[in-house]
Amino acid sequence: AIQMTQSPSSLSASVGDSVTITCRASQHITNQLGWYQQRPGRGPKLLISDASFLQSGVSSRFSGSQSGTDFTLTISSLQPEDFVTYYCLQDYNYPLTFGGGTKVEIK
Amino acid sequence: EVELVESGGGLVKPGGSLRLSCAVSGFSFSTYNMNWVRQAPGKGLEWVSSVTASSSHTFYADSVKGRFTISRDNAKNSLYLQMNSLTVEDTAVYYCARDSGRVPGLPGHFDYWGQGALVTVSS
Repeated sequence: AIQMTQSPSSLSASVGDSVTITCRASQHITNQLGWYQQRPGRGPKLLISDASFLQSGVSSRFSGSQSGTDFTLTISSLQPEDFVTYYCLQDYNYPLTFGGGTKVEIK
Repeated sequence: EVELVESGGGLVKPGGSLRLSCAVSGFSFSTYNMNWVRQAPGKGLEWVSSVTASSSHTFYADSVKGRFTISRDNAKNSLYLQMNSLTVEDTAVYYCARDSGRVPGLPGHFDYWGQGALVTVSS
């Protein structure tokens, strides 16, 4: 199974900061990676698909990029509602695998 | 509007069984692959199982293979997860999620999710 190593597991930042979250795949997955946001007690929400495609209705403060098997989610100008948890998911092949998650906390 | 609503969660004893349902609306259910994802208390997300649009193929995580069965009824716009031989490690919120259908027959990103159903396995 493809392993997704997500880092950091948590980070502290202030409103207005920019932060970067990374997922590294254990093998080639083309660009088949999505980024999801999860608020407490809610189902996840798709932010970015295919490594860098921003979903309709999602703020342009979110962006995704790829370098080989390394994938990055960048959140620019953090807003109060962004302080939640983020996950990556490789949808290249089964079994599908999530990263361990990154909790973004207010400093 | 796309909507996915899970039901059937609850408290069950170790070794017991439970069947989750996911009722969907707002899209042509029969043309999309569907999925179950779970989240243990305080833990991350774990993919559990997927089924293709026509039910021709099913896929399972190793952790549930042989114990869980995914199925669907396209006439009823419903997805199911039959869970047998439950253990305390199966305690989690279970989400159903729609596969975007980017490439028919292949996995894709999950573009819509339900709110989840809590399954608690405890004696």
